[in-house]
Amino acid sequence: GAGVSQTPSNKVTEKGKYVELRCDPISGHTALYWYRQSLGQGPEFLIYFQGTGAADDSGLPNDRFFAVRPEGSVSTLKIQRTERGDSAVYLCASSLTFSDEAFFGQGTRLTVV
Amino acid sequence: KQEVTQIPAALSVPEGENLVLNCSFTDSAIYNLQWFRQDPGKGLTSLLLIQSSQREQTSGRLNASLDKSSGRSTLYIAASQPGDSATYLCAAPALGSARQLTFGSGTQLTVLP
Repeated sequence: GAGVSQTPSNKVTEKGKYVELRCDPISGHTALYWYRQSLGQGPEFLIYFQGTGAADDSGLPNDRFFAVRPEGSVSTLKIQRTERGDSAVYLCASSLTFSDEAFFGQGTRLTVV
Repeated sequence: KQEVTQIPAALSVPEGENLVLNCSFTDSAIYNLQWFRQDPGKGLTSLLLIQSSQREQTSGRLNASLDKSSGRSTLYIAASQPGDSATYLCAAPALGSARQLTFGSGTQLTVLP
């Protein structure tokens, strides 16, 4: 595809459930990022992948959050035992390398009820 | 820790006006700075990426400048149009971690017809 694709666009889940959010980056982009955005705020960094490895996961808020990128392309953000405070828009971005222009997907709006 | 500030938080102008959005950052040892646009309920659209070796970058009616020594960047929009109404975000690499972007909270621009 031409841009970064995220699915689903919206996800409503019950407190305590497990969710997976998917990101398809731009083809050929080795760098992939996950950010989280709360209403009225700028996005906050969660994790960065260079290829298949998580080169920087310092933004993950706790061990309920985990992300993978097994083949260096598609990435999945996994959240266990969801809490209402996890409700936010989760944004994925990719770039050729970390110093290049970053392109964002449309985001997944997660609502935990 | 890199901190990015955008002032004003909101701006309303009549159509046709030229306007300037401001972005300041605390860590001037950045290698680039990126401006984004975000429409309500949407992801981020990259507008301009300025490398540290550049002072300006232009795209159509948009011109972004970067002054590392003063920790400031500006986004100039010429001849504003109602379609320019959106939230504009600037982002700079985080101190000590070039792979993380630190975002400001954005300036919400409304261009009145």
